Amino acid sequence: DTGVSQDPRHKITKRGQNVTFRCDPISEHNRLYWYRQTLGQGPEFLTYFQNEAQLEKSRLLSDRFSAERPKGSFSTLEIQRTEQGDSAMYLCASSSWGHRGYEQYFGPGTRLTVT
Amino acid sequence: ELKVEQNPLFLSMQEGKNYTIYCNYSTTSDRLYWYRQDPGKSLESLFVLLSNGAVKQEGRLMASLDTKARLSTLHITAAVHDLSATYFCAVDTIEETSGSRLTFGEGTQLTVNP
Repeated sequence: DTGVSQDPRHKITKRGQNVTFRCDPISEHNRLYWYRQTLGQGPEFLTYFQNEAQLEKSRLLSDRFSAERPKGSFSTLEIQRTEQGDSAMYLCASSSWGHRGYEQYFGPGTRLTVT
Repeated sequence: ELKVEQNPLFLSMQEGKNYTIYCNYSTTSDRLYWYRQDPGKSLESLFVLLSNGAVKQEGRLMASLDTKARLSTLHITAAVHDLSATYFCAVDTIEETSGSRLTFGEGTQLTVNP
């Protein structure tokens, strides 16, 4: 399967703990995106990378959130000192310029539950 | 700030009927995407609309884009149960930063009843 993959698929953690999620994009894609989706809402943009450079961060990305893409391939999203409000589905997507513009392909998501 | 509004948010329809979902957005953009999401699953790309007047069709679904009216429509023809899902429209940013963030609508939860 050459789609976007994410790990873990589910994470349950206690409030105050740190968590880290991983995303592996489609191999030829140079852009990688993180979104957060809560129940009944559309995904909300968090940040994106072009190769290893983080080009944009949403104001939703508080100081407790950090994302990296060290070699321009996989990416990690870390949440420090988790809060119950962080409970959501975290989606990763990747894209590259093509005949369908920068169409973003989404991974299966990591569902985070903070207890 | 770019806002994307979909209506209706909930749609229950009978098999065989037609209906249209509307997506309005607040600022200039000529790149609009439609995604489908099944419960507990990720998003599946349906249509990519990259210019004013673009129309794309796949099976019982047809999407169009009017950039002057800042409106996209997703038309469902002769609905079948398998189309039950949540449909999102998403708008790319303004041209010079295109390919960065997508701003999504709230989604339209479609239920097709036998």
